[in-house]
Amino acid sequence: SQQGEEDPQALSIQEGENATMNCSYKTSINNLQWYRQNSGRGLVHLILIRSNEREKHSGRLRVTLDTSKKSSSLLITASRAADTASYFCATDASGSRLTFGEGTQLTVNP
Amino acid sequence: KAGVTQTPRYLIKTRGQQVTLSCSPISGHRSVSWYQQTPGQGLQFLFEYFSETQRNKGNFPGRFSGRQFSNSRSEMNVSTLELGDSALYLCASSFGTGIGNEQFFGPGTRLTVL
Repeated sequence: SQQGEEDPQALSIQEGENATMNCSYKTSINNLQWYRQNSGRGLVHLILIRSNEREKHSGRLRVTLDTSKKSSSLLITASRAADTASYFCATDASGSRLTFGEGTQLTVNP
Repeated sequence: KAGVTQTPRYLIKTRGQQVTLSCSPISGHRSVSWYQQTPGQGLQFLFEYFSETQRNKGNFPGRFSGRQFSNSRSEMNVSTLELGDSALYLCASSFGTGIGNEQFFGPGTRLTVL
């Protein structure tokens, strides 16, 4: 079974709105990474947050990590139609082996 | 710097056949990991290679195997294909092995088993 669970499974918003996706995991982690996948293609690395970090920013992305609750959130501000994709969180409790959540399908309507 | 490349991009095979997929990591990266993605099981780790040695292995049958060459390029092989092997196979490269290494994925190979 997947280590992580994303919430919600699907999210539909209008361009310009913010999108928030959540990820929960079960075991202690060293790092948590977020990836984007467009329509069955490869995964694009978005951001890595270490277990001793609480928040990280990259452009329009903001990631938070709460290790006490074993959860992370990804916020995309001022969304664009091009942000339409599936978003996955991945944890690396066991070395380089990433364990992925089930993903959130984000649809941004023009 | 060129990204991770995978060949072929699409492949159609029949049950019982075998298949070999190839992955070229980002220049300078020495670790290559393989993942299988299916609608039912999601993204699952297959194995990781670093310096031509398998470092980690997921929970897949022995029909799934891999190797890494001295130039860090990697291949994975699936023998005696089954319908359930139809999936997107993704490889990822990173500079090192172990925790904290950002992994960069290739575009994947879409395998269809008929």
